[in-house]
Amino acid sequence: AQKITQTQPGMFVQEKEAVTLDCTYDTSDQSYGLFWYKQPSSGEMIFLIYQGSYDEQNATEGRYSLNFQKARKSANLVISASQLGDSAMYFCAMISDNFNKFYFGSGTKLNVKP
Amino acid sequence: DAGVIQSPRHEVTEMGQEVTLRCKPISGHNSLFWYRQTMMRGLELLIYFNNNVPIDDSGMPEDRFSAKMPNASFSTLKIQPSEPRDSAVYFCASSLAPSGGASYGETQYFGPGTRLLVL
Repeated sequence: AQKITQTQPGMFVQEKEAVTLDCTYDTSDQSYGLFWYKQPSSGEMIFLIYQGSYDEQNATEGRYSLNFQKARKSANLVISASQLGDSAMYFCAMISDNFNKFYFGSGTKLNVKP
Repeated sequence: DAGVIQSPRHEVTEMGQEVTLRCKPISGHNSLFWYRQTMMRGLELLIYFNNNVPIDDSGMPEDRFSAKMPNASFSTLKIQPSEPRDSAVYFCASSLAPSGGASYGETQYFGPGTRLLVL
């Protein structure tokens, strides 16, 4: 069975500081992908970053990077230089090679303080 | 390029009424997904289609829910009859996946969602 776990229901970070949002996953598949989405208060789901299980380097997209530790089955999202606009819910998701559907974590609500 | 389009954006209805949610996926995408989001249950996958064919509807809560995809550019999710516990945000998402269903790395792009309130 596929499973995504986000253990931090809510987090605070000071503006301009870096923050790490945790995500662990469970799968027996060798080939899979990991995604992070942002959901601001307006409700839309915004794709942030993707990491493939065979990618040797951690994915980066601007201020977002994914700390991928395959042996530990973790895919933490790192946001550098937090901005007020980063305040939102963040969801980790996984898709495996055998299933064309996403498994989502329960989300982490990030609040950036001025 | 237009993203995933959903209508209506908001729907308020009374218990027992039929509700139809609509989705237009991104042109060229061949996989379409319907999700439901509530505070209590988070994001739940209801059903997904690949090349207009329903592949997995195990997330559909009960017979009151049905989904169709008559062509590559349109899908509906129908609730008949609706109940207050169906109140949620319903998202449609689409992606480009190889035929056959096995895929990874193909990002799902979400529509803006439909906020449904059943009184």
